[in-house]
Amino acid sequence: EVQLVDTGGGLIQPGGSLRLSCAASGFIVSNKYMSWVRQAPGKGLEWVSIIYNTGSTYYADSVKGRFTISRDNSHNTLYLQMNSLGAEDTAVYYCANTFDYGFHSWGQGTLVTVSS
Amino acid sequence: QTVVTQEPSFSVSPGGTVTLTCGLSSGSVSTNNHPSWYQQTPGQAPRTLIYNTNIRSSGVPDRFSGSILGNKGALTITGAQADDESDYYCVLYMGSGIWVFGGGTKLTVL
Repeated sequence: EVQLVDTGGGLIQPGGSLRLSCAASGFIVSNKYMSWVRQAPGKGLEWVSIIYNTGSTYYADSVKGRFTISRDNSHNTLYLQMNSLGAEDTAVYYCANTFDYGFHSWGQGTLVTVSS
Repeated sequence: QTVVTQEPSFSVSPGGTVTLTCGLSSGSVSTNNHPSWYQQTPGQAPRTLIYNTNIRSSGVPDRFSGSILGNKGALTITGAQADDESDYYCVLYMGSGIWVFGGGTKLTVL
């Protein structure tokens, strides 16, 4: 069974850094396209980043230069390193398996709160 | 800046048919944008309904269908049920690895 478990969220001060993890089971992360999508409280979904099976990475303009998507093949885990966090980054962050032009098998989400 | 447009809200009667759309602030949506659709209820992760324009995700009933209608992506729900009352989001592939979600449509069944 395919499953994604998002962890690593929490309360962080403005300007701080945080790393989110997405542990996968039932498939091999490095063979797939994997994405992060976020949702600010009471707002809609926002695509954040994607990593291809080739290792190519892409980012939304809102996070480019601050966030880095990566994966650890030995732990079959996807990561999102978030730096220079601001209040606008407060959101639930979801990872998702991305194939055939769709987002699938969503994680349960992890809440990041940026506040002093 | 590309904006993906969705109706903020829509209402449908039980048993009725509703079509939600997904457009672009500038230009037309085509199969090259590979529209996909997601259902979300409060506090839950999104559920994938339709991907790559018209492919139903596993376990999604066939009363949900996706298409291109005119210059927009479209999600049609036939025979609406009470538990279809949710938020619906579309996302478009803009090329060069970039995706953009619409603002979502709040569907009421009454």
